[in-house]
Amino acid sequence: ELKVEQNPLFLSMQEGKNYTIYCNYSTTSDRLYWYRQDPGKSLESLFVLLSNGAVKQEGRLMASLDTKARLSTLHITAAVHDLSATYFCAVDSNYQLIWGAGTKLIIKP
Amino acid sequence: EAGVVQSPRYKIIEKKQPVAFWCNPISGHNTLYWYLQNLGQGPELLIRYENEEAVDDSQLPKDRFSAERLKGVDSTLKIQPAELGDSAVYLCASSLDSGQYTGELFFGEGSRLTVL
Repeated sequence: ELKVEQNPLFLSMQEGKNYTIYCNYSTTSDRLYWYRQDPGKSLESLFVLLSNGAVKQEGRLMASLDTKARLSTLHITAAVHDLSATYFCAVDSNYQLIWGAGTKLIIKP
Repeated sequence: EAGVVQSPRYKIIEKKQPVAFWCNPISGHNTLYWYLQNLGQGPELLIRYENEEAVDDSQLPKDRFSAERLKGVDSTLKIQPAELGDSAVYLCASSLDSGQYTGELFFGEGSRLTVL
């Protein structure tokens, strides 16, 4: 069975701190996506990772993909309140998009 | 460029009533998806279209749900009759054809259904 596991599922942190969200998956794939969802809103594409070793950065967020370890990370640097949201990873494999359960991130001022 | 457009944004109905949701994808995106999202969970695929053909409807509860994409552009998702458990957000998304890959999805704002 194809599985995508995110951890932690819930994260509360202080502004200015660094943290990492992990996305492990059980199938072979070299494509992975990260999405952001604000409360009551739809999903917004953050990063598209297309190959092993891919690294993408946007502001205080950086995503990476290690296809051999079947692991992607979303690193938050010097968190700010505006980054509070739920973050989903999704693995693209064999005509399917398999979603993680999401990580709800709360950043306190 | 316009994004994925969905309507209505909100719908409240009584159980056993019918309901329909409409989606207009991004121009040029031939692949269209309907997802269901319950509170606090990730999206769950209901159906995927490539042009007007439903290529994956294995998760669509066909006894009460139906969908169509007649001209390979707009799509409609219908529930008849609605049940209490159908209360959720129904998301439409579109993407460019990427062969064996799903590709990056672009989501609409969603249609929030409440069944009383």
